[in-house]
Amino acid sequence: TQLLEQSPQFLSIQEGENLTVYCNSSSVFSSLQWYRQEPGEGPVLLVTVVTGGEVKKLKRLTFQFGDARKDSSLHITAAQPGDTGLYLCAGGSSGNTGKLIFGQGTTLQVKP
Amino acid sequence: EPEVTQTPSHQVTQMGQEVILRCVPISNHLYFYWYRQILGQKVEFLVSFYNNEISEKSEIFDDQFSVERPDGSNFTLKIRSTKLEDSAMYFCASSGTSGRARQFFGPGTRLTVL
Repeated sequence: TQLLEQSPQFLSIQEGENLTVYCNSSSVFSSLQWYRQEPGEGPVLLVTVVTGGEVKKLKRLTFQFGDARKDSSLHITAAQPGDTGLYLCAGGSSGNTGKLIFGQGTTLQVKP
Repeated sequence: EPEVTQTPSHQVTQMGQEVILRCVPISNHLYFYWYRQILGQKVEFLVSFYNNEISEKSEIFDDQFSVERPDGSNFTLKIRSTKLEDSAMYFCASSGTSGRARQFFGPGTRLTVL
């Protein structure tokens, strides 16, 4: 059974600080997705990484897929209150059916 | 921008009743999925669907569950006899040729079983 462990579960920081969220597994994933989810809404796709070692940037957000495709990180530079929310990582399973395995999420609070 | 839509947004039902949750995936997408999220827990995969067939289903997706694409636009999830533990947010997702894992989610249906 493939599992994704996400850490930390909760993070409260001041505006302007940097932070990193980690997503780890002992299993290899075909891809890694990062989503953001607001209360009562569906996950919104931020980025997909598919190649080991791949790095993608989305403004102040940097996403990295581990070389072995077992882990990923999301780094936010100079966090803003608008970054507040729930961040989810989801790994594409080894079968070719599109099944996503989700981490438990990181709740980020950025205080002004 | 194209998006996945779901109806209803909230469904309340009595235990043992049948419910049908509806989804309209993004129009040119070929792969369709249902996930659920029990309050405070992880998003869990239920089923994937392609070419009018189930590609994969989880242990949660037992005989009480079924999916259907009755026409060219809708994708439905039916629960035949709901149980209290079926109470959750149900999300539909779809993906296209850019990769099956690159999935776009609908806003969800909150199912409450009394």
